[in-house]
Amino acid sequence: GAGVSQSPSNKVTEKGKDVELRCDPISGHTALYWYRQRLGQGLEFLIYFQGNSAPDKSGLPSDRFSAERTGESVSTLTIQRTQQEDSAVYLCASSLEASAPYEQYFGPGTRLTVT
Amino acid sequence: GQSLEQPSEVTAVEGAIVQINCTYQTSGFYGLSWYQQHDGGAPTFLSYNGLDGLEETGRFSSFLSRSDSYGYLLLQELQMKDSASYFCAHTAAGNKLTFGGGTRVLVKP
Repeated sequence: GAGVSQSPSNKVTEKGKDVELRCDPISGHTALYWYRQRLGQGLEFLIYFQGNSAPDKSGLPSDRFSAERTGESVSTLTIQRTQQEDSAVYLCASSLEASAPYEQYFGPGTRLTVT
Repeated sequence: GQSLEQPSEVTAVEGAIVQINCTYQTSGFYGLSWYQQHDGGAPTFLSYNGLDGLEETGRFSSFLSRSDSYGYLLLQELQMKDSASYFCAHTAAGNKLTFGGGTRVLVKP
């Protein structure tokens, strides 16, 4: 079956512009997670969804970051007024349920470069 | 707070055995997961320890000791394709994974 997909795979944007990153989870997976990974670093948790609700937004770095999920499927991560420090790979993952987050399936990521 | 510590890099030759240690500090600990990530690729799930002891999956095994807040991933019969970064991650209260900084494993011929 299809895995987690993300688009775009690469995004170059100018400082100050807004960007939208999309994630399509595995069908039937109710939990969806967003992470940020800087070069050579570990994965930094941003937010997770159970269904369309986001019980934990604690990882969002600032109010420039927001995310939503609709139809218990697609999720969009929006970064407003991008800054150079936002440059990173943004990874999306899904799991069958939020109560079993230990096994997550990751998408290929979106590499964001802010110039 | 919540944190996981693992070595930054390990180098070994083909056919060798590598052990990647992971120590953690957290409240409400549920279990320890391991993920593999090749350069430029997505992390892939390797194993999960919800209970103390050893879990074996082919050439890879993972161990957990809750009393010691410690776990490890054991890679046996190393192959060139095992060159990658390996992350431990714990599941704690809040239904999310917190990842360590990763261990880069370099396998030499």
